[in-house]
Amino acid sequence: NAGVTQTPKFRVLKTGQSMTLLCAQDMNHEYMYWYRQDPGMGLRLIHYSVGEGTTAKGEVPDGYNVSRLKKQNFLLGLESAAPSQTSVYFCASSRGTSADSEFFGPGTRLTVL
Amino acid sequence: RKEVEQDPGPFNVPEGATVAFNCTYSNSASQSFFWYRQDCRKEPKLLMSVYSSGNEDGRFTAQLNRASQYISLLIRDSKLSDSATYLCVVATTGNQFYFGTGTSLTVIP
Repeated sequence: NAGVTQTPKFRVLKTGQSMTLLCAQDMNHEYMYWYRQDPGMGLRLIHYSVGEGTTAKGEVPDGYNVSRLKKQNFLLGLESAAPSQTSVYFCASSRGTSADSEFFGPGTRLTVL
Repeated sequence: RKEVEQDPGPFNVPEGATVAFNCTYSNSASQSFFWYRQDCRKEPKLLMSVYSSGNEDGRFTAQLNRASQYISLLIRDSKLSDSATYLCVVATTGNQFYFGTGTSLTVIP
C-alpha cells in the first residue's frame, strides 16, 4: 500500500515549457487535491476533484489544468510555465466524508527559469 | 481575511518544556479540524484530529472552541523530535481544506 505517490520529484523548466505532474493513490479515495506551497503563504488549493471525471477550481487555478480520468490518478498540467509557478506541489487525497483528513504525497519541487 | 490564521513563531523551547499553539478560523460553518505536522522539505502528515470535547494523544492535547472559532495544540514534555512546523487545518462542507501558514517549533537540547 503505497498511499499517495507523485512523479516527478524534481523538475526544472524554462519559461513557456509545458509539463504534467502525476498523482496516484491506492486507497480508493474519492477526493483528490492539488496544492502549491510557497514560503510564508502556506498551502493553497489549485484544483480538486470529488470523483472520477470531475474537477473544480480552488483558490489559485490560473495557469493550471487538471484531469481525473481514472479514480486513482489526478494529473496537473502547466501549459506554459512561468517563473511565478516555481513552487513545491503537493497532491492529497481523502475519502470525502466530513471527518476525514487528507493524505499527502511527497511533493514535486518545480523550478521555472 | 484569511480562512485560517496562526502565529508563525518561531517557537524555540528547551527539552521538557510545554508549548502551546493557537489558531483561529473565519468560517463559522467549518466542520472538521486538524493539526498536521510538516518536517523540513517533507509532506504534511496528520498529527491529530480536533474534536469539540477536546482530545489527547500522549503528550499532545488539542482543543476546539467553536464559539470563539479557535483551535489550540498543547505539547507537553517537548522532545527534540517534536521540532517541525505545525499546521492548523479547517475543513468545510464539501471537504475543502484550508491551511494555516504554520507555526515553527524548535526544541533545544
